[in-house]
Amino acid sequence: ETGVTQSPTHLIKTRGQQVTLRCSSQSGHNTVSWYQQALGQGPQFIFQYYREEENGRGNFPPRFSGLQFPNYSSELNVNALELDDSALYLCASSYGRGYTFGSGTRLTVV
Amino acid sequence: SQELEQSPQSLIVQEGKNLTINCTSSKTLYGLYWYKQKYGEGLIFLMMLQKGGEEKSHEKITAKLDEKKQQSSLHITASQPSHAGIYLCGADTSGNTPLVFGKGTRLSVIA
Repeated sequence: ETGVTQSPTHLIKTRGQQVTLRCSSQSGHNTVSWYQQALGQGPQFIFQYYREEENGRGNFPPRFSGLQFPNYSSELNVNALELDDSALYLCASSYGRGYTFGSGTRLTVV
Repeated sequence: SQELEQSPQSLIVQEGKNLTINCTSSKTLYGLYWYKQKYGEGLIFLMMLQKGGEEKSHEKITAKLDEKKQQSSLHITASQPSHAGIYLCGADTSGNTPLVFGKGTRLSVIA
């Protein structure tokens, strides 16, 4: 079985730009969650998708949006990037209560 | 909302020594997860505990969940350089809910 794959691994963007991060779920997993991890902090929940519908959201503004596709892969979109958006973005897929995390995308906003 | 507090924030131990990391929840835990993270990388699943009093071991790492299900400890026996990294505890409030994480404990193992 394949694990969770995230792309790209690293990204540098300019303040005000938009970015799309991608995640391929582990085979058989129908739920995907996205987390933001700032330096020295634990991961913070952004939102979760189950069967292509958002079914949970953390304390993040609407400029953070997502999609889940029929094959359960997912995207995280961030508009109007701010310097504080610089972080490691983690995707986790799950089926029931087994969470598998990807290696993350390191986003730097300059 | 549920909050998890980990202690200590960082730890430096000599190779071969034992160590314990604690995770305390503000609410009764439904499920408690331990992950390990190398700097800037993804989370590696270690163990999940659900029942009060439950204890699980994998190689030299043992995790326990106390009877009241509000605290968990992670114990490493005879630490090795390969144990170095950030240890994160995460919790969910019911099935299929997103995980809430502590801030992590950074472990360094020196020769």
